[in-house]
Amino acid sequence: DAKTTQPNSMESNEEEPVHLPCNHSTISGTDYIHWYRQLPSQGPEYVIHGLTSNVNNRMASLAIAEDRKSSTLILHRATLRDAAVYYCILDPNNAGNMLTFGGGTRLMVKP
Amino acid sequence: DTAVSQTPKYLVTQMGNDKSIKCEQNLGHDTMYWYKQDSKKFLKIMFSYNNKELIINETVPNRFSPKSPDKAHLNLHINSLELGDSAVYFCASSQESVGSGTQYFGPGTRLLVL
Repeated sequence: DAKTTQPNSMESNEEEPVHLPCNHSTISGTDYIHWYRQLPSQGPEYVIHGLTSNVNNRMASLAIAEDRKSSTLILHRATLRDAAVYYCILDPNNAGNMLTFGGGTRLMVKP
Repeated sequence: DTAVSQTPKYLVTQMGNDKSIKCEQNLGHDTMYWYKQDSKKFLKIMFSYNNKELIINETVPNRFSPKSPDKAHLNLHINSLELGDSAVYFCASSQESVGSGTQYFGPGTRLLVL
């Protein structure tokens, strides 16, 4: 299974943008890049996903490198409610049934 | 409206007991999953069910058995509970088709084996 590498933790100030990096140097051509987050004491929730092009939705933006070996999740204005563990996951064929969660990045947001 | 629900939310039991955790989804999805999150917070997939057929079975002990009475439910039965089974168990669901891999998770069941 293709693996992802993320920093263990990051800090941000409230109302500032946050860029969460993810390296996936062994990504294959059919692997979709998914991001999930897990708020304290809750189940993971879907954030965004993409294949090659950058993606935007109401929660975040996903910037994918041209060689697809890395990606960045962008939260445009961090709020205290965005404090969570963010997981970058590769999903073969976007089928959803082979999700392997790594350690993720714990985002701390300071007021 | 709760998309994926689990009961109970908390479960405290003695070693050796048999217990069940229930999961229901009202999203009309055709695939459901069970994940285990241990004390180190690593989230690992245990089972996946599609149309009542087990399609993934990671190397979990056979004391764990998923049971799906219908497409909307996937229950997890655990026999002869051990201390190491203490964890948070999450149920999830998705629509299995290319381009629709997003999984929706339940709130989790916190199991403590004494």
